[in-house]
Amino acid sequence: SQKIEQNSEALNIQEGKTATLTCNYTNYSPAYLQWYRQDPGRGPVFLLLIRENEKEKRKERLKVTFDTTLKQSLFHITASQPADSATYLCALTGDYGGSQGNLIFGKGTKLSVKP
Amino acid sequence: EAQVTQNPRYLITVTGKKLTVTCSQNMNHEYMSWYRQDPGLGLRQIYYSMNVEVTDKGDVPEGYKVSRKEKRNFPLILESPSPNQTSLYFCASSLSEGTDTQYFGPGTRLTVL
Repeated sequence: SQKIEQNSEALNIQEGKTATLTCNYTNYSPAYLQWYRQDPGRGPVFLLLIRENEKEKRKERLKVTFDTTLKQSLFHITASQPADSATYLCALTGDYGGSQGNLIFGKGTKLSVKP
Repeated sequence: EAQVTQNPRYLITVTGKKLTVTCSQNMNHEYMSWYRQDPGLGLRQIYYSMNVEVTDKGDVPEGYKVSRKEKRNFPLILESPSPNQTSLYFCASSLSEGTDTQYFGPGTRLTVL
């Protein structure tokens, strides 16, 4: 069956360090993958999109990689700050062989950046 | 300001009392959807709409109805709410497809007693 896993439910790091979040998937062939940020009680907010033919994408302190061989995406926040504390969700397109072609979300990783 | 709005933001109701959660977007998006979010289960799609008068079931449609009579509005209807529908609900819209970047509303926290 199709499965998305965000490896850690929670990740605690020190301010200034690089946070690395992982998203693994099985039995999908996604065309692209997205990352969202969600603060408590609020709706997710789009951060980055990476396509299957792209290895890496950057936006300010954020970097996403996408390895379709490993079926994995890594999401990095460099020089992390307490304001980066939130839950981060990965979302990917379903396998076009059988799905509706919608986004499917992982359960998220809660990042806490300590001062 | 481009946005998705939901009302109400918080609702406490009793089993069996019909309710509607409204959703509206001002971005002229064709695609709209409803999700529920529960601890440990993540975001799960309830219903979606590709365009006016076109709706379809998501992963967890039981107990819910939707309608899309106008492009900007996509209300979620619970005809006979039950306690297992207590959840945080999000409406989202995107430009043309379900795989496009989703713009989420602020959420509606529903409690069914």
